[in-house]
Amino acid sequence: KNEVEQSPQNLTAQEGEFITINCSYSVGISALHWLQQHPGGGIVSLFMLSSGKKKHGRLIATINIQEKHSSLHITASHPRDSAVYICAVSYSGGGADGLTFGKGTHLIIQP
Amino acid sequence: DAGVIQSPRHEVTEMGQEVTLRCKPISGHNSLFWYRQTMMRGLELLIYFNNNVPIDDSGMPEDRFSAKMPNASFSTLKIQPSEPRDSAVYFCASKLAGGLGEQFFGPGTRLTVL
Repeated sequence: KNEVEQSPQNLTAQEGEFITINCSYSVGISALHWLQQHPGGGIVSLFMLSSGKKKHGRLIATINIQEKHSSLHITASHPRDSAVYICAVSYSGGGADGLTFGKGTHLIIQP
Repeated sequence: DAGVIQSPRHEVTEMGQEVTLRCKPISGHNSLFWYRQTMMRGLELLIYFNNNVPIDDSGMPEDRFSAKMPNASFSTLKIQPSEPRDSAVYFCASKLAGGLGEQFFGPGTRLTVL
């Protein structure tokens, strides 16, 4: 069974700071997902990665398959980025894969 | 598109009662997932379906939990009898099967068992 570890668990930063959230996993995967959960509870998929790097606006996600590690970066952070960021992995096999989740990183961006 | 629809959004019931949670996936998506989120355990996969067929139900906690997908546009998760430790937020998600793809989550059902 894959273990997904995230760090830090909690992060408070000032508006404008560069944010990095890390995720590591223990066995091979087919894809790694970064999810965002706002205080209202809804979950939104930010990225799905199987290799390399993806960028969307101020968000950047990278993955190193050999090291079994991924990072989520937020540039020029803003209070509206305050949320829980969750790393999740899916395994190869059949294409309909349930996700295994990390515990999440609770991010607070102060104005 | 309306996205994944779940009902009810909130459910409060008493221990021992039957609870049925409902999910309508995004039209055209043929994989459906049920997840549970608690403070202690975070998000966990309960069961998923591919083309209406249950593929992996190893996450279902015990026999009190059952899930069905009678057609491509509807799924239910039933708890009978419910217990206080079942209190959680239950999410349904869907995606296109047959390869990698992002999952789209419903708004969740917050269940409280008294």
